[in-house]
Amino acid sequence: GDSVTQMEGPVTLSEEAFLTINCTYTATGYPSLFWYVQYPGEGLQLLLKATKADDKGSNKGFEATYRKETTSFHLEKGSVQVSDSAVYFCALGEGEKLVFGKGTKLTVNP
Amino acid sequence: DGGITQSPKYLFRKEGQNVTLSCEQNLNHDAMYWYRQDPGQGLRLIYYSQIVNDFQKGDIAEGYSVSREKKESFPLTVTSAQKNPTAFYLCASSISLGGNQPQHFGDGTRLSIL
Repeated sequence: GDSVTQMEGPVTLSEEAFLTINCTYTATGYPSLFWYVQYPGEGLQLLLKATKADDKGSNKGFEATYRKETTSFHLEKGSVQVSDSAVYFCALGEGEKLVFGKGTKLTVNP
Repeated sequence: DGGITQSPKYLFRKEGQNVTLSCEQNLNHDAMYWYRQDPGQGLRLIYYSQIVNDFQKGDIAEGYSVSREKKESFPLTVTSAQKNPTAFYLCASSISLGGNQPQHFGDGTRLSIL
C-alpha cells in the first residue's frame, strides 16, 4: 500500500540555520503531497501542498518540490527561527484518504 | 472564525468504561475523520465519514465507534473493548472526501487511563 517515509528525528538547529527534512513516498498512482506542522499541545496545521509533479508548494518561508523521478517531497527553509520548533509531518493523499509519515521533531535554539 | 472544536481537552477513563469524544465543525465540510496519535507512530486513521449517516472504518477501528447524525458533528466513542486507549485523538474535516483535499484539524483530546 501507499506509504511515507520521513527522516528520523529529532533535528536540532541554531537560529538562522538551513533546514531540510527529507520525505519519500511509495504510491501506485499520482498522489497529492502535503506538509503539516504540529505545535506542542495542538492539532496539525497545513503548511503547504503540491498536487502534481514539479509543483512547488511554499508558505511562511518553507518550500517543497514534488519530485516524481525520485518520489520525494523534501521540506526546506533557508533560515529557521525559534518559533519554527514543532513536529513536521509529510503526507500523501490518494483515493479517499491521507497517509502520514511518523513525523520529525525540530528544535531551534536561539 | 470557522474551525473544528474538540472537547474535552483532557479525558480520563476507568476500567470497563466507555467514553465519548466530541468533535464539532462550522466549516460546512462534508467529510470528517478521526485519528489516533501515539508517540513516534504518526497519525493512524480510526474512522471517516463522507456524509451524514455514513461512515467507514479506517485502519484501526477495533474498539471504537462513531456516529454522524449531523453534518457538523462526528463524535467518537472509545469502548471498553479498546484495551490500550491512552493516546492523543485528533478530529479533522475536509470539503469533500478525497486524498487531494487538505484536512483541517482540531486541537485534540488527550485520553488517559485512571
